[in-house]
Amino acid sequence: GAVVSQHPSRVICKSGTSVKIECRSLDFQATTMFWYRQFPKQSLMLMATSNEGSKATYEQGVEKDKFLINHASLTLSTLTVTSAHPEDSSFYICSARDPVRTAGPQETQYFGPGTRLLVL
Amino acid sequence: GQNIDQPTEMTATEGAIVQINCTYQTSGFNGLFWYQQHAGEAPTFLSYNVLDGLEEKGRFSSFLSRSKGYSYLLLKELQMKDSASYLCAAMDSNYQLIWGAGTKLIIKP
Repeated sequence: GAVVSQHPSRVICKSGTSVKIECRSLDFQATTMFWYRQFPKQSLMLMATSNEGSKATYEQGVEKDKFLINHASLTLSTLTVTSAHPEDSSFYICSARDPVRTAGPQETQYFGPGTRLLVL
Repeated sequence: GQNIDQPTEMTATEGAIVQINCTYQTSGFNGLFWYQQHAGEAPTFLSYNVLDGLEEKGRFSSFLSRSKGYSYLLLKELQMKDSASYLCAAMDSNYQLIWGAGTKLIIKP
């Protein structure tokens, strides 16, 4: 249980375009999802916390108008990188918390496989 | 401030034992997580400690001392596939994960 999928797994786009990344919880309903960014050889950086049916909570320094998050249902959150630039190239990972304890404690975050974004 | 410290890199031999240490400082505490992350992949959950002591799960064990703000991950009978980064994360009073930078573990034959 507690499987999280992400789509696409890899995307290459031109500078100035927008890219949408989907995060789905496949076998549980996730009231809270998290979006992380990871640069090479660095740890995870939390970008925002996404709550179903309400506005996302962004971490300090993350532009909410550039990284649009929509958590429209209990199984789907989307991250849209608007007007992407080369410095936005990174590994974007979502995670979800399973509110019903399954394989681990209730507080455990389960990660999607990640999306590698390359902006040319 | 909130902080997690763990070594940047460690090297060990196949079949041996290695201990990866982690110290943490957080505003409140709701548990300590260890995740494994292979290069280019997302992290996978390994263990969770919220009470003091050792939790054993197969070849992997995790230890917590809340009074010392200290945890370690112990890997026994190392295999080549254990080469990965190991991330320590502490959960604060707001149930927010504070992540360490990760320890890259290199296994040599």
